[in-house]
Amino acid sequence: EVQLVESGGGLVQPGRSLRLSCAASGFTFDDYAMHWVRQVPGKGLEWVSGIGWNGGSIDYADSVRGRFTISRDNAKNSLYLQMDSLRAEDTALYYCAKAAAVAAKIFDYWGQGTLVTVSS
Amino acid sequence: DMQMTQSPSSLSASVGDRVTITCRASQGITNYLAWYQQRPGKVPKLLIYAASTLQSGVPSRFSGSGSGTDFTLTISSLQPEDVATYYCQKYDSAPLTFGGGTKVEIK
Repeated sequence: EVQLVESGGGLVQPGRSLRLSCAASGFTFDDYAMHWVRQVPGKGLEWVSGIGWNGGSIDYADSVRGRFTISRDNAKNSLYLQMDSLRAEDTALYYCAKAAAVAAKIFDYWGQGTLVTVSS
Repeated sequence: DMQMTQSPSSLSASVGDRVTITCRASQGITNYLAWYQQRPGKVPKLLIYAASTLQSGVPSRFSGSGSGTDFTLTISSLQPEDVATYYCQKYDSAPLTFGGGTKVEIK
């Protein structure tokens, strides 16, 4: 069974940093691209960033480019999102999502999310 | 950046009704279009990819069509468990973009 478990969310002041982690199990992690998608509670979905199976093919949404860094450790079956210079508008539930086998840019499994709140 | 526009933003229909949701891309994306269902309090679920290919395990009452800029998700006979918000997503290239969502309720 595929499992994705996010951690690292919390309350942080504007301008500070936070690092999210996603622990993956139930599939061959290094065979798949992985992504972060966020959702303000009660609002729509926003793709944040994606990374290829080998750590290449990294992309970011314009809203986070230059502030967020995605990475992965295939030996630890883990995905990360380093978030720097956080803003109030980064407040959201952050989902880790596995890419589908048929296409690296669609998502067939999602974690339950970790909530990030940016506020003074 | 490209925009994905869904309509309507919400709808209410009776059990057994045929429901259609539209997604329009601001530029052509051939068939690089996926649909997701997000039930209340749950995480999104992939329904359709490549505009019309049903993901494994998804009921056959769901179907997708379209190419280029105009796409449609159809539920042929609405069921109570279909109450959810539906999102389209373009995936031809980054940045990946979701539509604003369509909330489907039972009348």
